[in-house]
Amino acid sequence: AQSVTQLGSHVSVSEGALVLLRCNYSSSVPPYLFWYVQYPNQGLQLLLKYTSAATLVKGINGFEAEFKKSETSFHLTKPSAHMSDAAEYFCAVSEGSGNQFYFGTGTSLTVIP
Amino acid sequence: GAVVSQHPSRVICKSGTSVKIECRSLDFQATTMFWYRQFPKQSLMLMATSNEGSKATYEQGVEKDKFLINHASLTLSTLTVTSAHPEDSSFYICSATRDKATEAFFGQGTRLTVV
Repeated sequence: AQSVTQLGSHVSVSEGALVLLRCNYSSSVPPYLFWYVQYPNQGLQLLLKYTSAATLVKGINGFEAEFKKSETSFHLTKPSAHMSDAAEYFCAVSEGSGNQFYFGTGTSLTVIP
Repeated sequence: GAVVSQHPSRVICKSGTSVKIECRSLDFQATTMFWYRQFPKQSLMLMATSNEGSKATYEQGVEKDKFLINHASLTLSTLTVTSAHPEDSSFYICSATRDKATEAFFGQGTRLTVV
């Protein structure tokens, strides 16, 4: 069985500060891990994904995430927050191609000017 | 890239009527499509998984007679909410995967309001 836990349903950071959104997963098989961003009343946009290659994954908009098997974590970071980063972020896990995704409960990021 | 188009983006219907939502993969063949429901400020809840040409697999607690899913071609899946009630009001999102791809591509969602 697979599941995702996102610690912190709301995160607030100042503009220019570090963004850290936490994600822990459980999986009985080597996981594929994803971070998606959702803006109000829109679908999900892929930020980045881990599919068993490099453990440090770089995505769009300056985001990156590191897969740590020992900690079963896949935390999302960005060195400097921008106002446009304010959105809902979802971590997800799947078993691979064609399989369903399991989503975390989401983290709402607020960026304070 | 892989684009998934969902239509309509917003729909308002009267209680007791049926509403059809379309999900199309515009530039790839979608071997599997997923339908999710999202309540305000909550995560996506998987409703069903559909493969082209076969019956959809519904998640526990999802009424298959109420939420009819048809995946008639490799580029189109539809979700029909039958005899809609106000409690069916929600944000519905589809996603599609293609053969040997590891990620899912999401539609822009449909905001359904039942009055």
